[in-house]
Amino acid sequence: GEDVEQSLFLSVREGDSSVINCTYTDSSSTYLYWYKQEPGAGLQLLTYIFSNMDMKQDQRLTVLLNKKDKHLSLRIADTQTGDSAIYFCAETPSPYNTDKLIFGTGTRLQVFP
Amino acid sequence: EAGVTQSPTHLIKTRGQQATLRCSPISGHTSVYWYQQALGLGLQFLLWYDEGEERNRGNFPPRFSGRQFPNYSSELNVNALELEDSALYLCASSRAGQGATGELFFGEGSRLTVL
Repeated sequence: GEDVEQSLFLSVREGDSSVINCTYTDSSSTYLYWYKQEPGAGLQLLTYIFSNMDMKQDQRLTVLLNKKDKHLSLRIADTQTGDSAIYFCAETPSPYNTDKLIFGTGTRLQVFP
Repeated sequence: EAGVTQSPTHLIKTRGQQATLRCSPISGHTSVYWYQQALGLGLQFLLWYDEGEERNRGNFPPRFSGRQFPNYSSELNVNALELEDSALYLCASSRAGQGATGELFFGEGSRLTVL
């Protein structure tokens, strides 16, 4: 079945860039998402990208999509301590099939001073 | 505007008991989704309700069930609790005809511990 994989941990120094990676197996994935989960909170949508795009930038966030390798990455520039959280990538063939969203296991980002 | 609210925040049960978790979606949202977040397993889709009907369920046994009420709130019931049911249960809501983003709005979760 479909699978979404992420590394479990990432530790970066404040001010550096963070790159969180995700690979997926479903070739029909059309919509890919990054969600952020802060301690004790639910998930919050950070950004999304459609499969007809290679890159999307939103302030400090840059999403890169390599469809050939089924690889998605999230780059956070000038990482701050407030960015410490768990980051989930997710994919679905259609935004109208949210029940078919497949989430990765999440990457715990720790930012140290 | 109030976000998705879930109750209780924490729940401790013993094996064999039943647990009931509740969720109120954002006002105007008609779809409610339930996810199980177990340690190291990411989010696993449990159930989807829309307009009072169960639209889809994930790969979970029938002892996981739920319903959606006319006011679109929802409850998740877990019968015959097992130790491996210990997890954070997240509820999310979305608008009908949600447009092209497919965004889900999540509550803070209910942490169920089975002893």
